[in-house]
Amino acid sequence: KQEVTQIPAALSVPEGENLVLNCSFTDSAIYNLQWFRQDPGKGLTSLLLIQSSQREQTSGRLNASLDKSSGRSTLYIAASQPGDSATYLCAVKNNAGNMLTFGGGTRLMVKP
Amino acid sequence: GAVVSQHPSRVICKSGTSVKIECRSLDFQATTMFWYRQFPKKSLMLMATSNEGSKATYEQGVEKDKFLINHASLTLSTLTVTSAHPEDSSFYICSAPDYRVNTEAFFGQGTRLTVV
Repeated sequence: KQEVTQIPAALSVPEGENLVLNCSFTDSAIYNLQWFRQDPGKGLTSLLLIQSSQREQTSGRLNASLDKSSGRSTLYIAASQPGDSATYLCAVKNNAGNMLTFGGGTRLMVKP
Repeated sequence: GAVVSQHPSRVICKSGTSVKIECRSLDFQATTMFWYRQFPKKSLMLMATSNEGSKATYEQGVEKDKFLINHASLTLSTLTVTSAHPEDSSFYICSAPDYRVNTEAFFGQGTRLTVV
């Protein structure tokens, strides 16, 4: 059974810092991995999708890497802003038709 | 990205009544949709997989008679919480994979259910 862990559970940084969120998964036979953002009381917004054959994806100030063999992914946020404050969730899919298995999330607070 | 719309965003109901939550894929067809439940400050737990044209597949521990799922068309799945109790109060979120985009998952806005 796939298990996904995110560290740290919570993170508070001053504005402008670069930061890294970590995600690890136990079954390396994944189809893809997705990073999401969730604002309080809201749904999930897809940030980046990494296919199993890819090593990284970038979108603006966000960069996600994937090391499938070691069961790890990182989300790098450059020059953090207060608007980045949210919960960040990583999720893996083990095959195309399956649901996502989520990590516990990292609650990020960026202070002005 | 693709759009998944969930309605209502908030609902308050009395114990013993039923509540229906709708999940629509607005600009793509979804033969499969997923229903998740999220407790406060917790991650998402899969409840069931909704399959167009066939019965839903429920995760272990989820009562199928309490959480009725109907996937009426390629763009609509509904979750009905029957005979709701206060312990059913939670945040429910649906998701649909877009097979046009490597099955990237798109989520609805979520429904906050409060049973009083």
